[in-house]
Formats: sequence, structure tokens, C-alpha cells
Amino acid sequence: GAVVSQHPSRVICKSGTSVKIECRSLDFQATTMFWYRQFPKQSLMLMATSNEGSKATYEQGVEKDKFLINHASLTLSTLTVTSAHPEDSSFYICSATTGSGANYGYTFGSGTRLTVV
Amino acid sequence: AQTVTQSQPEMSVQEAETVTLSCTYDTSENNYYLFWYKQPPSRQMILVIRQEAYKQQNATENRFSVNFQKAAKSFSLKISDSQLGDTAMYFCAFMKLGANNLFFGTGTRLTVIP
Repeated sequence: GAVVSQHPSRVICKSGTSVKIECRSLDFQATTMFWYRQFPKQSLMLMATSNEGSKATYEQGVEKDKFLINHASLTLSTLTVTSAHPEDSSFYICSATTGSGANYGYTFGSGTRLTVV
Repeated sequence: AQTVTQSQPEMSVQEAETVTLSCTYDTSENNYYLFWYKQPPSRQMILVIRQEAYKQQNATENRFSVNFQKAAKSFSLKISDSQLGDTAMYFCAFMKLGANNLFFGTGTRLTVIP
């Protein structure tokens, strides 16, 4: 089946630094990738949608200059949290689909727990 | 805007018993998709079942079935013969036809008791 690898699974960074999270589709071409943020005991909140080769579409309230998303190839999308602050600490999850998610399904990564100290 | 509501933050069920998780949603769309996802302790989101709104027949996947009431905008998940491996967070999700992003509910934490 389709597999999405998300790396790292855990990262601790100092306040003010940047951290990059990778999301790779291992056995399929991901035309669209999604980035979610999940607070403890809460739902997944969509941050942005990225299509290969084009700029990401950010949801309302998400700072695009703070959360940089790159989807340069059909198998890789990256989320860079720039100038991280403690309030950015959260669980970040990516998902990917080839074509229409309704028809082809969404495959989720296993998430990245970011802790900013 | 679409909203998805799961009114049961936590539930428990005895092993081998049946449990129903509720989900309601609000939308002005007529055609859409509904999903149930499972998030076990590993945090990997796994699709449990999906339903197309234009289909009247309720979806079924082995021990998992849904009760889709379109007029009431209700989409409950029934788990039969509960197993310990069913212990997880369960999220109901909505996607409108032609879109490509999911709106999730707040989740229900299910614990299967041996």
C-alpha cells in the first residue's frame, strides 16, 4: 500500500531557530500534500495545501512567512518552521494524495513532534 | 463553512462488545464525502471507512459500519466485536465534492477494555 514517510519524528529546537520537517511519498507520486497541526487532545487543523511545482495555499490564520512549505517534487514536501517560538510546539502531520483524495485516498505520515525550548 | 462535531470526547467498550461513535456535521453542500479515521498511539492516521453522500447504502468494512443519515447530517460509526487493537482516537472527517482537503472533528478517544 501507499506509504508516506515523515522525518524527523521528534525534534527539539531552541527558540529563534528554524526547523525543517520532510514528508516523502515512498511508492507513489503525490500531486498534492497537506500539512496539519494537532494540539494535544484536539483535532487536526489544516495549515496548508501544496501542489507539486506551485506555491502552497495557506489556510486563514496561518502565517506563510513563518511556515514555509516547499513541494519541489512529486515525492517530497517540506515544512520549515522559521524563527520558532515555544507556542509553535505541536504535533505536525503531513498527508499526501495522487489526484483526487476522494478517489485515491489520503496517506498520512506518522507525524513530527516539535518542541521549542 | 463546514463544521464536524463529535460530542463524545471519550468512550470505552468491553472487548467483543459493540460500540457506536457519533458524528454530526453542518454543510450547505449536497454532494460530499465523509470519513472515519483512526489514530492509534503510534499517531499514524488510518482510514477506517468512507461514505459518499450520494449513496444511500451505508458503507461497511468488516467489523466497521456507518449509519449515514443525510437529512439529519449524522454519520455514526459502529464497531462490532471490539478488539484491543481498536483502542485509538477516532476522527470523523468531511470533504466536499471537488475539493481535496479534509475537515476533521475533535475526535473520540475509544478504549477497549479486556
